[in-house]
Formats: sequence, C-alpha cells, structure tokens
Amino acid sequence: NAGVTQTPKFQVLKTGQSMTLQCAQDMNHEYMSWYRQDPGMGLRLIHYSVGAGITDQGEVPNGYNVSRSTTEDFPLRLLSAAPSQTSVYFCASSPRDTSTDTQYFGPGTRLTVL
Amino acid sequence: AQSVAQPEDQVNVAEGNPLTVKCTYSVSGNPYLFWYVQYPNRGLQFLLKYITGDNLVKGSYGFEAEFNKSQTSFHLKKPSALVSDSALYFCAVRDKGTDKLIFGTGTRLQVFP
Repeated sequence: NAGVTQTPKFQVLKTGQSMTLQCAQDMNHEYMSWYRQDPGMGLRLIHYSVGAGITDQGEVPNGYNVSRSTTEDFPLRLLSAAPSQTSVYFCASSPRDTSTDTQYFGPGTRLTVL
Repeated sequence: AQSVAQPEDQVNVAEGNPLTVKCTYSVSGNPYLFWYVQYPNRGLQFLLKYITGDNLVKGSYGFEAEFNKSQTSFHLKKPSALVSDSALYFCAVRDKGTDKLIFGTGTRLQVFP
C-alpha cells in the first residue's frame, strides 16, 4: 500500500512550457485534490474531484487543468507555465465522507518556472 | 466564509517544556477542525481532528488539542516538547458547504535542545 504518490519530485520549466504533474493513490479514495503551497500563504486548493469523471475548481484554478478518468489517478496539467506558478504542489485523497475524513497527502512536487 | 487563523508565524520552545500552537476559526454552525504537521521536504500528515464530542482531542505523537467554542479556538498542545517535534503545523477547517479543506498559513515550531 503506497498511499498517495506524486511524480516528479522536482521539475524546472521555462516560461511557456507545458507539463503534467502525476498523482496516484491506491486506497480507492473517491475524493482527490491538488494544492499549492507558497510561503506565508498556507495551502491553497487548485482543483478537486469527488469521483471518476467529476472535477471542479478550487481557490486558484487559473493556468491549470485536471481530469479524472480513473479513481486512482488525478493528473494536474500546466498549460503554459509562468514564473507565478513556481511553488510546491501537493496531491491529496480522502474517502467519500469528506466532511469528517482526513486527507492523505503525497510527498509533493517542487516546481520552478524560469 | 469559513476560515482559520494562525496568529504566530513561529513558536520557539525548549525541549521538555510544554508547547502551544494557536489556531482560531470563523465558521457558521459547528466546525470540523483539523491539525496537520509537515516535516521538512515531506507532505502533510494528519495529527488530529475535532468533529463532535469531547472538547479535548488526543492525536498522534502525544499531541492534543482543545476545542473552545466560546473563544472560537482550537489550540494544539503537547505537555513536553521534543526536538523531533520541530516542523510546520497547519490548522484547517472543513467548509461544510463545499466540503473543501481550508488551511491556515502555518506555524513553524522550533524546539531547542
């Protein structure tokens, strides 16, 4: 049971490049989400999904796309990277009862956009 | 809108002393409150949560938190700090309208030997 895995761990992009951050979980959790962590701002929700085929926007969705074709995977796509997207990105998952259940976080992807 | 505030960017404490990391919340109705910890270069780990019931919640690694409705607080506490407790601590509240988890800005705990 690997929990929540993220790849890559580190990535450097040039402005305008695109890439996909991978996230997978093996706990059969319905709910998955992407956060970015910036100094002094805590974690901010980018996009989330309550199940396969269903996604919705969080607090800071601009510049990012997501899809949820399977329960296990929830990739985050940067369409045209900008320096403002330099951050640490965390994927998380939790069971269906999202009101009371805890979220399980992946180890993070540190992204630098030059 | 639901929110949490962590008024201290950093808390310093000597090993063996009690520690408190503060969190206040602003929600409508009864809150669902959480504490997470982040060790260097790691993802967040769940520590404890308050959903209902006893106001004193016990969690992992000897931590506990006290829910105080009149003061709208959910402070994290530990009777005797360890150097290994040094980490970034986040308070969070569940927005019951959207089920989203809303995080505070984090408090860095530094425990000195």
